[in-house]
Amino acid sequence: AQSVTQLGSHVSVSEGALVLLRCNYSSSVPPYLFWYVQYPNQGLQLLLKYTSAATLVKGINGFEAEFKKSETSFHLTKPSAHMSDAAEYFCAVIPTNAGKSTFGDGTTLTVKP
Amino acid sequence: NAGVTQTPKFQVLKTGQSMTLQCAQDMNHEYMSWYRQDPGMGLRLIHYSVGAGITDQGEVPNGYNVSRSTTEDFPLRLLSAAPSQTSVYFCASRGDRDTYTFGSGTRLTVV
Repeated sequence: AQSVTQLGSHVSVSEGALVLLRCNYSSSVPPYLFWYVQYPNQGLQLLLKYTSAATLVKGINGFEAEFKKSETSFHLTKPSAHMSDAAEYFCAVIPTNAGKSTFGDGTTLTVKP
Repeated sequence: NAGVTQTPKFQVLKTGQSMTLQCAQDMNHEYMSWYRQDPGMGLRLIHYSVGAGITDQGEVPNGYNVSRSTTEDFPLRLLSAAPSQTSVYFCASRGDRDTYTFGSGTRLTVV
């Protein structure tokens, strides 16, 4: 069994500021971890994924996330927010035994000019 | 383009009507799933399938049926629509490396 907690359902930053979206997980087996982004009226798109290689994972659009096993976290960051980053972001965990996935409840990112 | 195709994109039903949401993928993925997305509740798994002929229930299966006669298709049937089933529905397939590919969604309103 596994679970995902995204801390903060809404995050607001100014354009150019650091983006930090938090994700904590629990899993009874080693997990694969993912971040997906959903723009308005669209489906989810993969941002980045951790599959037990490097713990610092770089994704599209300048985003990156670090897998920290000791903290059971997989926080998403971007050094400088852009207006086009405004979207909803989902963290997901899939156990490495190919079981069912679990998605977090999502964090809506607002970028202020 | 390879991907997941959902139809229709929008649908309005009357309470008690039935309908089928279609989902097809052309990536030869064994794993397919249906989610519903409601404000503040994230994605909730309705049903999933690990291959043709095999389906199983997710978190919120009541009121929905699925079948998987081919690898490509995974339709979701609403047996008797209720206002509580007003939602956005996403179909997704999962390939190697466990990465999901999502369809663009079906926005369903039940009145």
